[in-house]
Amino acid sequence: GAGVSQSPSNKVTEKGKDVELRCDPISGHTALYWYRQRLGQGLEFLIYFQGNSAPDKSGLPSDRFSAERTGESVSTLTIQRTQQEDSAVYLCASSLGQYSYEQYFGPGTRLTVT
Amino acid sequence: AQSVTQLDSQVPVFEEAPVELRCNYSSSVSVYLFWYVQYPNQGLQLLLKYLSGSTLVESINGFEAEFNKSQTSFHLRKPSVHISDTAEYFCAVSSNFNKFYFGSGTKLNVKP
Repeated sequence: GAGVSQSPSNKVTEKGKDVELRCDPISGHTALYWYRQRLGQGLEFLIYFQGNSAPDKSGLPSDRFSAERTGESVSTLTIQRTQQEDSAVYLCASSLGQYSYEQYFGPGTRLTVT
Repeated sequence: AQSVTQLDSQVPVFEEAPVELRCNYSSSVSVYLFWYVQYPNQGLQLLLKYLSGSTLVESINGFEAEFNKSQTSFHLRKPSVHISDTAEYFCAVSSNFNKFYFGSGTKLNVKP
């Protein structure tokens, strides 16, 4: 079946612009995660959605970052007033549910802020 | 809070040689441990995990990892690597499956 998809695959934007990144999880997966991976660094947890529960936003680095999820499907990560330090690969993952440990990752969106 | 350290950013090794990729973690609570692998041009995928029980866990392609609580380690090993094992390997920990902490990754480069 279809895996996790993300769009766009690459995004180049000017400093100060807003960007929106999209994630389509695997159908039926109620849990969804966003991570940021800066060059040479590990995956940094950003936000976690589980069903209709309030999301865990504890990893969002600033109020310029926000994310939404429509029910148990598509999620969008929005970065407002982008800065050069926002340049990274943004990864989305989904899993079957709250007690499921296996995450299925998308291919990521490479964001470059010039 | 939890954190993961992968000290080796790159590990070059010849085909059929053994390899060990190191992972150390810090946590004040009990954790579950994972190794994810990212093959070239592919997304991350789960390689193996420790949840409970036997501290030695294995993957279907010959990798194994041992949970060592006293040393807070979860090193990944394979006795004989193949060219196809060339990939980046990430160690991760979680206490509740809601939030995962990943290491910075180790690039394994298997040479013929």
